[in-house]
Amino acid sequence: QVQLVQSGSELKKPGASVKVSCKASGYTFSSTAVNWVRQAPGQGLEWMGWINTKTGKPTYAQEFTGRFVFSLDTSVSTAYLQIISLKAEDSAVYYCARSHSTGWSEDYWGQGTLVTVSS
Amino acid sequence: QSALTQPPSASGSLGQSVTISCTGTSSDVGSYNLVSWYQQHPGKAPKFMIYEVTKRPSGVPDRFSGSKSGNTASLTVSGLQAEDEATYYCSSYVGNYNLVFGGGTKLTVL
Repeated sequence: QVQLVQSGSELKKPGASVKVSCKASGYTFSSTAVNWVRQAPGQGLEWMGWINTKTGKPTYAQEFTGRFVFSLDTSVSTAYLQIISLKAEDSAVYYCARSHSTGWSEDYWGQGTLVTVSS
Repeated sequence: QSALTQPPSASGSLGQSVTISCTGTSSDVGSYNLVSWYQQHPGKAPKFMIYEVTKRPSGVPDRFSGSKSGNTASLTVSGLQAEDEATYYCSSYVGNYNLVFGGGTKLTVL
């Protein structure tokens, strides 16, 4: 069965970096894109962008350009989200989600990774 | 790109129907039949409920249905059950390989 398993919670200081992993199983990793979605505490979902798992090309939503980096290790069917120069407002749950075969929806989601930024 | 507009809350009695709206613009919801809906229970990951406006993934009960008119998409939940109480999010393709979510609607089952 399709599964996306994310790395565990992180507690970081402002200015540090964090890298969240999302390991896929149960399907051909390169067959569909991986999306990243942020959910701040008590808030709604924000689409951060996606990465093409065939080419490795990332696309970032406007708000997520600059400090956010999507990458892949196709040898282990894993996608990564790195956040650089963390700020308190980056504290959120980050989800990876697989793109549905028809494209613009997300059919399988990881369990979420809580990133807390605090001094 | 602005978030799609959803009412913050909605409610309905057990067994009844409720419809949640999702309003965008002629550049997103109005231009593409690429609206999706997700259900999220507290502390859980979102669940895929509807795609391409009206299509249900396998395993989603037919009590859930989607529609669209102009710049507004809707999710209707019929025969409300207690487990339908959750927050529902819409999303739409907005062009240029981008997507946007709505603000979410908290559904209460009375």
